[in-house]
Formats: sequence, C-alpha cells, structure tokens
Amino acid sequence: DAGVIQSPRHEVTEMGQEVTLRCKPISGHNSLFWYRQTMMRGLELLIYFNNNVPIDDSGMPEDRFSAKMPNASFSTLKIQPSEPRDSAVYFCASSQTGEAKNIQYFGAGTRLSVL
Amino acid sequence: DQQVKQNSPSLSVQEGRISILNCDYTNSMFDYFLWYKKYPAEGPTFLISISSIKDKNEDGRFTVFLNKSAKHLSLHIVPSQPGDSAVYFCAAGRNFGNEKLTFGTGTRLTIIP
Repeated sequence: DAGVIQSPRHEVTEMGQEVTLRCKPISGHNSLFWYRQTMMRGLELLIYFNNNVPIDDSGMPEDRFSAKMPNASFSTLKIQPSEPRDSAVYFCASSQTGEAKNIQYFGAGTRLSVL
Repeated sequence: DQQVKQNSPSLSVQEGRISILNCDYTNSMFDYFLWYKKYPAEGPTFLISISSIKDKNEDGRFTVFLNKSAKHLSLHIVPSQPGDSAVYFCAAGRNFGNEKLTFGTGTRLTIIP
C-alpha cells in the first residue's frame, strides 16, 4: 500500500488567498484525521471523520477553515481566506476502527507558508 | 489546556547509552498511550503503545513504562543509535469511545556518535 498521500507537499500563498490541501487515506481505513503541527502546540487535531462523516471538529480554529470527505478515498482541508498565522505543517492520518486500536498512519504533510 | 505534556523540548544522549523520554498527562480518562517518531520532512510513524492495564511494554530496544498514579509515562531506548535521532511524540486516547488521540508537543532526541 502507498500509505496516506497528501498533496501538495509545499504550498506558498499570499494572505487572503484560498488554500486547499488534499489527502488520500490508506485503502480500507474508515477514519481520517487532519492535524496541524506548530512549535508551540505540537500536533493539534483539527477535525476527524469516521465513515466519511465529521465526528469532531472542535479543533478547527475558526470559520475560515473547512474540511470535507466526499468519499472514502479523498478528503480536503480548505482555508479561506488564508492568513500568515496559518503557516504550519498540516498532516492527514488514517486508521481502521477495531484493528491495532488507535494506531493512526500519517502522510508526509503539507508545509503551508502564507506571506 | 495541554492535556498531554512533554516538558523537555530536546535531549542529547551519547550513542550506546540509554535515552529516556518523558510524558505527563492530566486527563484520567485516557487509558491508551502511544509513542510516535518523526524524521524531518516525514510524517510521524507509530513506534510503541501501552494500555492502562499494563505498566510496561517492550519491543526490542524500546520499552514504554506507565505510572497511572502519577499520570506519567516514559520511553526508554537502549542502546541508543544514531538512527534514533528524531522528534518523539507522546499521544493518549481512550480504548472505548472515539478514536481521537491527543498529542504532546514532542521531544527532539539527538544521539551523539
């Protein structure tokens, strides 16, 4: 299996622009997680889906952030409009409920720079 | 409020010696704990886990110890090798209920040859 695939690997954009991050989970996994990594807060959970349904979005910082999972093999995290403080590395992870409990498999991340 | 804390941002250890990474948690509902390892420009990868019904779990050079009364866990790596240089994240979750994990801020381990 190719693992969790994220695109793009790097994104540089200007303040106010819309940014879309993409994730393809491991085939057969039914849970998907979006994280943001910063020096101050480490890995913060933004939102997670189970069977394509958002379960917990309490970590989404504000209305500028939105996430969708239209099917079991694809998810997006959108920031509109983007701000410099959104600059961070964003990770997507997936897991399979009931198998190797709680172990999440991460993608390589998207490094976002908002100028 | 940081429910999982790794108070040492960095640690340097001589090759061949023991590395000890520490993690504290505040939420007594957590009953499953994991350690992840992260190299630069890569995503975190699972290393080892422990359930609250145990106080120790060992996998090769890696051992995780859990002290429930102190709400503290530690990861021991012995002997330490240069390839162990990475950032280590502690994570906590619940065996029953949702699959959410709460991560610490990470400890950067450097193994000195």
